[in-house]
Amino acid sequence: QVQLVQSGAEVRKPGASVTVSCKASVYNFTTYGISWVRQAPGQGLEWMGWISAYTGNTDYAQRVQGRVTMTTDTSTRTAYMDLRSLRSDDTAVYYCANTIFGVGGYYFYMDVWGKGTTVTVSS
Amino acid sequence: SYELTQPPSVSVSPGQTASITCSGDKLGDKYVCWYQQKPGQSPVLVIYEDTKRPSEIPERFSGSNSGNTATLTISGTQPMDEADYYCQAWDSSTRTVIFGGGTKLTVL
Repeated sequence: QVQLVQSGAEVRKPGASVTVSCKASVYNFTTYGISWVRQAPGQGLEWMGWISAYTGNTDYAQRVQGRVTMTTDTSTRTAYMDLRSLRSDDTAVYYCANTIFGVGGYYFYMDVWGKGTTVTVSS
Repeated sequence: SYELTQPPSVSVSPGQTASITCSGDKLGDKYVCWYQQKPGQSPVLVIYEDTKRPSEIPERFSGSNSGNTATLTISGTQPMDEADYYCQAWDSSTRTVIFGGGTKLTVL
């Protein structure tokens, strides 16, 4: 089964940028996609966006559109999430998740999740 | 924007059936999945495509979706099922994932 290994915790100042990585232990990496979901302390899940590892196409949530970039390196089976212009309300645990996407978007679900990366934004 | 509404909390006695609802406009026209999250842990997929269960998920977990409401049902609820549960759907008009606000299931 797919395993996703995420990079370690990060601390940034407001206005800075952060990159979180997610390495997949699966041979057919390009069959799936990678979503990024975050969870602020004591709050629910917030989807940030996803990238198709096959096409490289992305969809982003409106709330982070313009500040986030998701990429993949298929040679190393690694996905990356860059978040810029950090604010204090970006403080959260960031999860990557293996994503199954039906043709036409008829279904979309995340079947395997990484352990999460804590990003703290504080001056 | 599309929204999914869940009750903040549900309580159930051990061995009884727990039902957690997720409501949204014409939700039955979309595929719904459900995630379980225990404190300090990553979410786990328990139901996908409305009714399908990953092989590692116990049979006591089931799902349904019709009209404006999807339901996660846990039959013979066990203390280990105490967790937060989130429903999720894909909004094809905006090409975004929508999560419900989450339901805290208490087994007491």
